[in-house]
Amino acid sequence: DAGVIQSPRHEVTEMGQEVTLRCKPISGHNSLFWYRQTMMRGLELLIYFNNNVPIDDSGMPEDRFSAKMPNASFSTLKIQPSEPRDSAVYFCASSPGVAKNIQYFGAGTRLSVL
Amino acid sequence: AQSVTQPDIHITVSEGASLELRCNYSYGATPYLFWYVQSPGQGLQLLLKYFSGDTLVQGIKGFEAEFKRSQSSFNLRKPSVHWSDAAEYFCAVGGSQGNLIFGKGTKLSVKP
Repeated sequence: DAGVIQSPRHEVTEMGQEVTLRCKPISGHNSLFWYRQTMMRGLELLIYFNNNVPIDDSGMPEDRFSAKMPNASFSTLKIQPSEPRDSAVYFCASSPGVAKNIQYFGAGTRLSVL
Repeated sequence: AQSVTQPDIHITVSEGASLELRCNYSYGATPYLFWYVQSPGQGLQLLLKYFSGDTLVQGIKGFEAEFKRSQSSFNLRKPSVHWSDAAEYFCAVGGSQGNLIFGKGTKLSVKP
C-alpha cells in the first residue's frame, strides 16, 4: 500500500491567499484526521472524520479553516484567507476504524505564509 | 479528561547506551497506548502499541515499552541506542471516539 499521501509537500504563499491541502487516506480506512504541528504548540488535532462525516472539529482554530471529505479516498483542508501564524506542518492520518485507534500518518505539508 | 505527559523535552544519550523515555497518562478506563517516532522532515511512524494482555510490548527497531497501571505509565526503552534513533518520540493514548491524545514529545539526541 502507498500509505497516506499528502500534497503538496511544501507550500509557500502570501498572506491573504487561499491555501488548499490535500490528503488521500489508505484504502479501506474509515477514519481520517488532520493535525497541525508547530514548535510552540506541538501536535494539535484540528478535525477528524469517521466514514466521511466530521466528528469533532473543536480543534479548528477559527472560521478561516475548513475541511471536507467528499468521499472515502480524499480530504481537503482549506485556509482562507491565510495568515503568517498559520505557518506550520500539517499532517493527515488515517485509521482502519474507531476501535483501537491505530493511526497512520502522511509525510506532511510544510506551509509557509509570508 | 484524557491527557498524556512526557516530562522530558530533550534527552541526550551516547551511542550504545540504554534509553528510557517517560510517559504518564490520565485515562479513566483501560487505555490503548502508543509510541510514535518522528524523524526530521517526516511524518509520525508507529513504534509499538498496547491494547491488553502482556504489559511488556515489543515494537520495531528494537524498542519496547512497559505498561504500569499503578503508575499510569508507559515508558519506552531500548537497551542500546544507535545514531539513527535520533528523532522525536511521541506517546499517545487512545480517546473514546477513535482519536489519539498525544504528549508534547521528547527529542532524542545521540552522541557519537
